[in-house]
Amino acid sequence: DAMVIQNPRYQVTQFGKPVTLSCSQTLNHNVMYWYQQKSSQAPKLLFHYYDKDFNNEADTPDNFQSRRPNTSFCFLDIRSPGLGDAAMYLCATSRDLLQGGYEQYFGPGTRLTVT
Amino acid sequence: TQLLEQSPQFLSIQEGENLTVYCNSSSVFSSLQWYRQEPGEGPVLLVTVVTGGEVKKLKRLTFQFGDARKDSSLHITAAQTGDTGLYLCAGGSGNTGKLIFGQGTTLQVKP
Repeated sequence: DAMVIQNPRYQVTQFGKPVTLSCSQTLNHNVMYWYQQKSSQAPKLLFHYYDKDFNNEADTPDNFQSRRPNTSFCFLDIRSPGLGDAAMYLCATSRDLLQGGYEQYFGPGTRLTVT
Repeated sequence: TQLLEQSPQFLSIQEGENLTVYCNSSSVFSSLQWYRQEPGEGPVLLVTVVTGGEVKKLKRLTFQFGDARKDSSLHITAAQTGDTGLYLCAGGSGNTGKLIFGQGTTLQVKP
């Protein structure tokens, strides 16, 4: 089945120790998104890629970076995690808007714990 | 700034009861999606509505898009424990593909 995969599902890192979360998709969608979600809240968009074009949200801290080496993969790098960065990180994809693409398809998420 | 106000934020009901969740805005959206998210998992798309006044049914779930495309509702008939989760509405507009999310409704259905 076509899907969005996130690895790992659970990640524990130490305060200040860089961490990378990964996302892959078999949907062949142009657009990929990274969200941060804290408990029982709506997902908060960090940034998105339209093909290779990177779009950062204005309030996303510099501590968060992303890479998209090809259509299928996208990475979220947290350079110096703080305790406040503990959250669920969600990857999502969508088709090009011209193909009717407001629908986003989410991965299962990575739960990040910072100790 | 576009906002989606979702209500109620929390709902705890007995199995078999009916419920309605509302999603309201002063802005017009090109489309509106409803997602359900179970604990520890990502949101799963339930439905997309695009036409003002549109009604879609998914088994016991009925979704409606307001005539002016500014609001939507989700009605669940005879709730089951498996309906428990976080329900999110999300609106799409403009040419970026980004979604505006409501705050979410946490639904607990007790046996």
